[in-house]
Formats: sequence, structure tokens, C-alpha cells
Amino acid sequence: EVHLVESGGGFVQPGRSLTLSCTGSGFTFDGDTLSWVRQAPGKGLEWVGLIKSKANGGTKDYAASVKGRFTISRDVSKNIAYLQMNNLQTEDTALYYCTRDFQKDSFAWGYWGQGTPVTVSS
Amino acid sequence: QSALTQAASVSGSPGRSITISCTGASNDVGNDNLVSWYQHHPGRAPKLIIYEVSKRPSGVSNRFSGSKSGNTASVTISGLQAEDEADYYCCSFTTSGTFVFGPGTKVTVL
Repeated sequence: EVHLVESGGGFVQPGRSLTLSCTGSGFTFDGDTLSWVRQAPGKGLEWVGLIKSKANGGTKDYAASVKGRFTISRDVSKNIAYLQMNNLQTEDTALYYCTRDFQKDSFAWGYWGQGTPVTVSS
Repeated sequence: QSALTQAASVSGSPGRSITISCTGASNDVGNDNLVSWYQHHPGRAPKLIIYEVSKRPSGVSNRFSGSKSGNTASVTISGLQAEDEADYYCCSFTTSGTFVFGPGTKVTVL
């Protein structure tokens, strides 16, 4: 059974950095595309970025709102994906979800963790 | 700000059908079939209900159906039930290689 667990959220001041982790189980960690999605308080879902499967080159793409500040990586030996967030802004305050492709190359987020909250405030 | 548009809210009586639309452009919804839909109950993780425009994951009720015409994708919920009350989001791949969610539609069962 596919299982995703996010961790690493917390309270951080503007301009600082934070790294979120997503621990996966029940699947080959580099065999599927992983994506991060966030939801700011009272707002809708926002796609943050993804790292494609190894078969698709492991390439990464990011939303314009985070490009250049956020970096996604993956440690296959530990079954952990990371979302490194630099120069955090108050508008980055959100619940961050780790998701996995429903099936190979469907690019639909069929598996979700419970999310980890990030609060950016001075 | 989302490049996709959805009605803020849709309501219907139990047993009736409702349709939620998601309008984009030729560089996202209209470009290919990578449109998906998610049901989100507050406090819970979102749930995939439709992928590739009209496919339904196993375990998802056949009361949910998806379609697309041009730059507009839609999901129809038939035989509306109280448990369908939730927020619904469309999501589309874009020609930039990124994904975008719609702003969401709140479904109310009267």
C-alpha cells in the first residue's frame, strides 16, 4: 500500500529557509513522479513543483511563484523526497502536501500525505 | 492567481445531478488530456476522482464522470449525496511543463 508522510513543517521568519521531507513506502521511490501541492489558509490548492520518475529523466519543474527559491530532490536509498524552501515569504504560509502519480505518466495526484504546515511570519 | 476558472459554488438537491466546469486555454486544458479532478473535504487530504479527463480510479463512485470540450473540462456528479458536499478542484498540465489548479468549487447539497 502506498503511504506518504510529510514532516519538517514549522514556524519560520521571512527570508529564512526550511526543508520539508516526504517519506514514502509501498512503491519504488524513483519509479513514479512525486509532486508537492500546498494550500494557504482559506485558499485553494496550488501546485508547487514535481520531480519526475527516473524513467522520465528525474527532471524537475516548479510553479512560477516558487521557481528559483524552492528545490525538490529525492534520496532513493532513504525513500525520502525533499522540498527545500529558501527566502520564504509570508505568502508561502500553507499546508504542504506530498503527492504521488496515480499511475505511471498519468500526472494525476492519486496518493497524498496528510500535509505538514508551514507558517512564515515575523 | 489561477489561470483556470471555476464557479465559486454549485448546489443541488439530493439525487439530482450537478456539473462543475473548469475553463482554461489552449495552452493548458485545451492542449491535451492531462486534466484531473479532486474532491477535498476540509481537514482531509484531497482525493483524486477523475484523471486524464474522463478516467475514474478504481474505488471512485461511478456517479462521478468527466468530459472535455475545447478549453473547458467538466465533472458531473449524478445522484447527489450528502457526502458529496466538498470542494472540487480541476488541475491541468500546461505547455510550460507545469501544472495549475483551478480556484475550486464548493458543492453544497441542499
